[in-house]
Amino acid sequence: KQEVTQIPAALSVPEGENLVLNCSFTDSAIYNLQWFRQDPGKGLTSLLLIQSSQREQTSGRLNASLDKSSGRSTLYIAASQPGDSATYLCAVGLSQGGSEKLVFGKGTKLTVNP
Amino acid sequence: GAVVSQHPSRVICKSGTSVKIECRSLDFQATTMFWYRQFPKQSLMLMATSNEGSKATYEQGVEKDKFLINHASLTLSTLTVTSAHPEDSSFYICSASIAGTSGIWSPETQYFGPGTRLLVL
Repeated sequence: KQEVTQIPAALSVPEGENLVLNCSFTDSAIYNLQWFRQDPGKGLTSLLLIQSSQREQTSGRLNASLDKSSGRSTLYIAASQPGDSATYLCAVGLSQGGSEKLVFGKGTKLTVNP
Repeated sequence: GAVVSQHPSRVICKSGTSVKIECRSLDFQATTMFWYRQFPKQSLMLMATSNEGSKATYEQGVEKDKFLINHASLTLSTLTVTSAHPEDSSFYICSASIAGTSGIWSPETQYFGPGTRLLVL
């Protein structure tokens, strides 16, 4: 059974810092891996999607890496801003019967202090 | 593009009543819709996967007679929580996968709704 773990559970940093969020998964047979952002009481916003054949994806100040063989992914946020404060979720995609099943971690709650 | 809406955003009901939550894809056709549940400080857990015109596939441990899912069209899926109890109080989120490919959209990508907060008293 696929399990996704995110470390740390919570992180508080001053504005401007670069930071790394970690995600690990137990089964390397994944279809893809996504990083999402969730604001309190809200739905999910997809940040980056890495296909299983890729090693990284970049969008603006965000960079996500994927090491499938070791079951790890990292989300790097450069020059953090207070607006980055949210919970960041990692999810691995499993191909299942023609559709995709996502298995989520519990998330890392990020607070960026002005 | 790829907007998914949910209605209602928040609902409070009495124990024993049934509650219906709607999930709509506003600007695309979704062959597959997913329903997730999220308890406080926990991860999203997939409840069921529904394909338009066919019965939903439920995850292990999810009671299909309690959580009724209908996916009658390519733009609408509903989740009905029957005989709701306080332990059903949770945040319910739907997502939709796009049919076919169009530009940067991928059939593997799920687009998430804003969620529905259910409180059962």
